[in-house]
Amino acid sequence: GENVEQHPSTLSVQEGDSAVIKCTYSDSASNYFPWYKQELGKGPQLIIDIRSNVGEKKDQRIAVTLNKTAKHFSLHITETQPEDSAVYFCAASEWNDYKLSFGAGTTVTVRA
Amino acid sequence: EAGVTQSPTHLIKTRGQQATLRCSPISGHTSVYWYQQALGLGLQFLLWYDEGEERNRGNFPPRFSGRQFPNYSSELNVNALELEDSALYLCASSWDRLNEQFFGPGTRLTVL
Repeated sequence: GENVEQHPSTLSVQEGDSAVIKCTYSDSASNYFPWYKQELGKGPQLIIDIRSNVGEKKDQRIAVTLNKTAKHFSLHITETQPEDSAVYFCAASEWNDYKLSFGAGTTVTVRA
Repeated sequence: EAGVTQSPTHLIKTRGQQATLRCSPISGHTSVYWYQQALGLGLQFLLWYDEGEERNRGNFPPRFSGRQFPNYSSELNVNALELEDSALYLCASSWDRLNEQFFGPGTRLTVL
């Protein structure tokens, strides 16, 4: 089955700086890679996703890059703000499959 | 548009009892997924229901079961509760088999 590893487990950044979270996956058949943000006491919220036919996708301050050859993908948050503080999860699956395999999560703290 | 809703928010049970958790998907979504998020761990896939049928289950014992109703809402039942069942149980829904899964706020189950 798919195995997703996520690093780092915790990340502390100064407000305004950038944050980068990296994930690797094991199944070369995976072609769908979503990122979720989970705030305290809430369920995960889908913030951005990427499919294998593109190498990069951007949405305002958030961008995701994908390297299929190396089997890794990354989340980039620029100009971080206090409200970006949360736990971020990466996941992987085959598109149109039922199961998402999640990384262990990264706790991001943005210092004011 | 209303999101995924779950009830109850919190549930406290004692070892050996049964717990029933409920989920209402986003209107128009036919697939419902259940995940377990134990403290400090990532999301572990539990069950997938689609069009009223259990389509697949994760690596959990048979005392974890559920069903999906004709209106696509779902129940998760956990029998013979054990202490290690204490976790946040998350429900997600998606349209058909598409991977864009949208999560509810979760039910916090505590087993004493």
